[in-house]
Amino acid sequence: DGGITQSPKYLFRKEGQNVTLSCEQNLNHDAMYWYRQDPGQGLRLIYYSQIVNDFQKGDIAEGYSVSREKKESFPLTVTSAQKNPTAFYLCASSTLLGGGAADTQYFGPGTRLTVL
Amino acid sequence: AQSVTQPDIHITVSEGASLELRCNYSYGATPYLFWYVQSPGQGLQLLLKYFSGDTLVQGIKGFEAEFKRSQSSFNLRKPSVHWSDAAEYFCAVIYTGGFKTIFGAGTRLFVKA
Repeated sequence: DGGITQSPKYLFRKEGQNVTLSCEQNLNHDAMYWYRQDPGQGLRLIYYSQIVNDFQKGDIAEGYSVSREKKESFPLTVTSAQKNPTAFYLCASSTLLGGGAADTQYFGPGTRLTVL
Repeated sequence: AQSVTQPDIHITVSEGASLELRCNYSYGATPYLFWYVQSPGQGLQLLLKYFSGDTLVQGIKGFEAEFKRSQSSFNLRKPSVHWSDAAEYFCAVIYTGGFKTIFGAGTRLFVKA
């Protein structure tokens, strides 16, 4: 079955530590995205990538970093510089970036990160 | 700035009653419109989407939505709600020539027996 997987489902981090969230897709999608979701605030875009080895900052990129070494993988690192990292993180992918009809985003199941 | 508004933070309906969730988008180029549903602790699932053509769009799980350009609205409807429909619903838009999906803040649906 094609889809998007995220791991782990739950992640606990001590203050001052970096953590990496995994996102893998086997949909052969070109574009991938990371969102942060906080209660009552909807989704906020952290980073997105159109193509391998290229990515762009979204609305709230500070304290986060990404890489796109393979088409199917787009890991997100939450660094110690992120002041309030406790949130639900969602990864998504789509076939084409550019406002076309194919830009429908499909989402993974999410990772809940808690900073202790 | 382009935006999506879901005026209702939460709605409670009785099981078997009809449902309408409101969504308004800011004026702009021809929009592509989406509704997603999210169960607690889960990712977002696409319910339906509108790109062009018939303004009444059918989706999964018995949902439909109607695009009204004159009102900049894309309201989601279901004629008879089931308890399993309790979830959070997000409206989203992409504008032609843009790349970014803009999400509303969501409406949480509660279903009472």
